[in-house]
Amino acid sequence: AQSVAQPEDQVNVAEGNPLTVKCTYSVSGNPYLFWYVQYPNRGLQFLLKYITGDNLVKGSYGFEAEFNKSQTSFHLKKPSALVSDSALYFCAVRDSGGYNKLIFGAGTRLAVHP
Amino acid sequence: EAQVTQNPRYLITVTGKKLTVTCSQNMNHEYMSWYRQDPGLGLRQIYYSMNVEVTDKGDVPEGYKVSRKEKRNFPLILESPSPNQTSLYFCASSLAGGRMGNIQYFGAGTRLSVL
Repeated sequence: AQSVAQPEDQVNVAEGNPLTVKCTYSVSGNPYLFWYVQYPNRGLQFLLKYITGDNLVKGSYGFEAEFNKSQTSFHLKKPSALVSDSALYFCAVRDSGGYNKLIFGAGTRLAVHP
Repeated sequence: EAQVTQNPRYLITVTGKKLTVTCSQNMNHEYMSWYRQDPGLGLRQIYYSMNVEVTDKGDVPEGYKVSRKEKRNFPLILESPSPNQTSLYFCASSLAGGRMGNIQYFGAGTRLSVL
């Protein structure tokens, strides 16, 4: 069965420090991977995606993610965290069997402290 | 402005009282979908639609109905709501077809409480 795991419920980081939000996946065939962010009382916003090509994907708001096929991971990173980055982050993989269906991880809450 | 609009944003109801959550998109997307978000479970797909008059079940369809009579609208219907349907609901839309990397655009969410 296809699945996405986000092993950390919450990540705490000081402003200005680098951040990493972890994601691992299990999918048959080539993975199509996404990161979304959810701010309080808002819908999910697309951050970035990996389809093919360069393993380092750059996205919105200075975020990037590194695709690692051997470790089946797609960790989200940012070199210098901002307090405004505090939000709920979801990793998702496109279901190879379903039309456009996304399989989401449980989410990781990122808290950036001043 | 390109957007997915859901209404209402907040809804409190009682068990068994039929309700409809509306969803509308202005991007001419073929594909629309409903998800529910529950703590520790992420988002799970309820129903989806590939185009007008084409709908299919997602992972958690029990207790829900949908319709797609127009391309822009995809309402979610709870005929007889129960407390286990208390959740945060999201509508999403995207281009369809064989493009695996289509980005889904989400509405702001509807928080439903069934008493």
